[in-house]
Amino acid sequence: GNSVTQMEGPVTLSEEAFLTINCTYTATGYPSLFWYVQYPGEGLQLLLKATKADDKGSNKGFEATYRKETTSFHLEKGSVQVSDSAVYFCALLGGSQGNLIFGKGTKLSVKP
Amino acid sequence: DGGITQSPKYLFRKEGQNVTLSCEQNLNHDAMYWYRQDPGQGLRLIYYSQIVNDFQKGDIAEGYSVSREKKESFPLTVTSAQKNPTAFYLCASKERETQYFGPGTRLLVL
Repeated sequence: GNSVTQMEGPVTLSEEAFLTINCTYTATGYPSLFWYVQYPGEGLQLLLKATKADDKGSNKGFEATYRKETTSFHLEKGSVQVSDSAVYFCALLGGSQGNLIFGKGTKLSVKP
Repeated sequence: DGGITQSPKYLFRKEGQNVTLSCEQNLNHDAMYWYRQDPGQGLRLIYYSQIVNDFQKGDIAEGYSVSREKKESFPLTVTSAQKNPTAFYLCASKERETQYFGPGTRLLVL
């Protein structure tokens, strides 16, 4: 079945460091891929998405490229800020009910 | 302001009690979803509804029930049959391929 695997956290970085959070998926076909961000005590916010292979999603300095060869959708940011501290979820649209399949989330802490 | 609202933010359930979580959206979306989030876990699908007056079980529907009488509303009832209800509950609606989430309800057992 469809599944998403993302790197385990927590990830702790200093401000202005480079961020990579790895995400790989198993799916039939080429589903749309998403990154969501969750701040403490809140719901999920859509960060970026890519709907087909080789697409690059980007938002607020974050980027991720849909790589069908490696079945990956890694999240990157060139220079993180303290305000980026949150839990990041990788997901694919591939459930039989039209739902999202989520990874377990990666907690990011950015220190000043 | 368009969006999804969930209430209450915190909910306490006593043993043997049914409780209902509210989810309302004014985005005019047909499809709505309920997910459960446990610490250190991804989200798991409880129920979903593609259209008014129709809903389907998700992966972990046991101990839960829903209704969809209006397009805007998709309430979730956590029944006494759900033996481990403590979790963060998230409602979402979908436009094309993208799901948009509400702020969540944290359910605690007294």
